[in-house]
Amino acid sequence: DTGVSQDPRHKITKRGQNVTFRCDPISEHNRLYWYRQTLGQGPEFLTYFQNEAQLEKSRLLSDRFSAERPKGSFSTLEIQRTEQGDSAMYLCASKEDTEAFFGQGTRLTVV
Amino acid sequence: GIQVEQSPPDLILQEGANSTLRCNFSDSVNNLQWFHQNPWGQLINLFYIPSGTKQNGRLSATTVATERYSLLYISSSQTTDSGVYFCAVIWRGGADGLTFGKGTHLIIQP
Repeated sequence: DTGVSQDPRHKITKRGQNVTFRCDPISEHNRLYWYRQTLGQGPEFLTYFQNEAQLEKSRLLSDRFSAERPKGSFSTLEIQRTEQGDSAMYLCASKEDTEAFFGQGTRLTVV
Repeated sequence: GIQVEQSPPDLILQEGANSTLRCNFSDSVNNLQWFHQNPWGQLINLFYIPSGTKQNGRLSATTVATERYSLLYISSSQTTDSGVYFCAVIWRGGADGLTFGKGTHLIIQP
C-alpha cells in the first residue's frame, strides 16, 4: 500500500463553480478525516467517517461543503459555489486505531 | 475546545546544532502526534506519543501528559530538517479529529 492518496493535487477554479476532491485511504483503515489548511496555520479538522458513517462535522463545514464515503473506502469532498475564502490546502487522513497518516493534499485556488 | 500552543514560532539554526521544540496543550488528550511538513505540503509522521519517550535516529520526543506538554528534540541538524513542525492532539473531551498547533518554522542554514 502506498499510503493515503488524494486527487487532484492542484485545482484552480473560478468563483461560483463547484469542485470535488477525492481521497483514497490506506486500505485497512476504517477512519477517514478531512482537514483544511490555510497559509501560515495548522490544519483544521472538518469532518470524519468511520466506515461509511459520517460521525463528526466541524462548524467550519458550511452547508456549501459536503463529504461522502459511500462504500466505506474512498471519500469525496465537494464544495459548491466556491468563494475566494475557500482557497486552501485540503488534506485527507486515515487511521485504523491510533496514528493518523496524511495524504499529499489538494491545493485549491479560487480566482 | 482544547488549545495547542507551540514554541518557538520560528527558529533559525546552523547545520549541526541541536534544538528543542515545545508543545503545550490545555486539557487531557488521548492522542499526540508530531509531524514535519515539507515544502510541498506533505505531513510526514514523526512520532505518535501520547505519553513517554521515543527516539528515532536524530529525533526524539517526550510527552508528560500529566503536565500537558510534549517536547521534540532534533540533534545534529541537517538542512533537510528545515520545514514546519506541527504538534497535534485529540482532546479527550471532544471529537475524534486532531487539533493542531500553529507550528514551529525551522530553518537550518548550511
